[in-house]
Amino acid sequence: QLQLQESGPGLVKPSETLSLTCTVSGDSIRRRTYYWAWIRQPPGKGLEWIGSMYYSGHTYYNPSLDSRVTMSLDMSETQFSLKLSSVTAADTAVYYCARTPNFFRGEYWGQGTLVTVSS
Amino acid sequence: NFMLTQPHSVSESPGKTVTISCTRSSGSIASNYVQWYQQRPGSAPTTVIYEDNQRPSGVPDRFSGSIDSASNSASLTVSGLKTEDEADYYCQSYENNVWVFGGGTKLTVL
Repeated sequence: QLQLQESGPGLVKPSETLSLTCTVSGDSIRRRTYYWAWIRQPPGKGLEWIGSMYYSGHTYYNPSLDSRVTMSLDMSETQFSLKLSSVTAADTAVYYCARTPNFFRGEYWGQGTLVTVSS
Repeated sequence: NFMLTQPHSVSESPGKTVTISCTRSSGSIASNYVQWYQQRPGSAPTTVIYEDNQRPSGVPDRFSGSIDSASNSASLTVSGLKTEDEADYYCQSYENNVWVFGGGTKLTVL
């Protein structure tokens, strides 16, 4: 059964880089069928797509975050990562990773991890 | 890119039917598939409708989706409301390799 689990620091200082990893069990991120995505949700607010990545490593980012976002596939077949630079309090959110069966929709989501930006 | 506008909240009684709208600000609603996600408090979103009107396995047929070109909007209809349907619902579409989410609708079943 497919499972996704986000992990990383729960607290990041302003101006630093937020780094998260999504560990996938029950599937390979190198499978040619799927995309892998990051979505976030500030406390009490709605969902925001951060970006998506194909198995080849090709990436698509939200234009509003493009200059600060890097997504990558790990050499293992079970992890992919997110880096968001120069964070501010506005980046405080629950961050979800997801598998998408094609580019345009989510299918399986992780449980999410709260990242707080504060000094 | 376009925006998707949803009502902030809707409420209805158990057993009744409710419809949540999602209006696209520019471009045709029919141009790109619309998805609907349900999010219960403290949980990750789950898909209840994908590709405008398709239900994932395990989602009851009380949930249905449609699009209306005249109003340039998508709709999620939940019939035979149950208290367990109380949640936030988000529509989502895409264009030019960018996902767009609606702001979400809180469904209260009272």
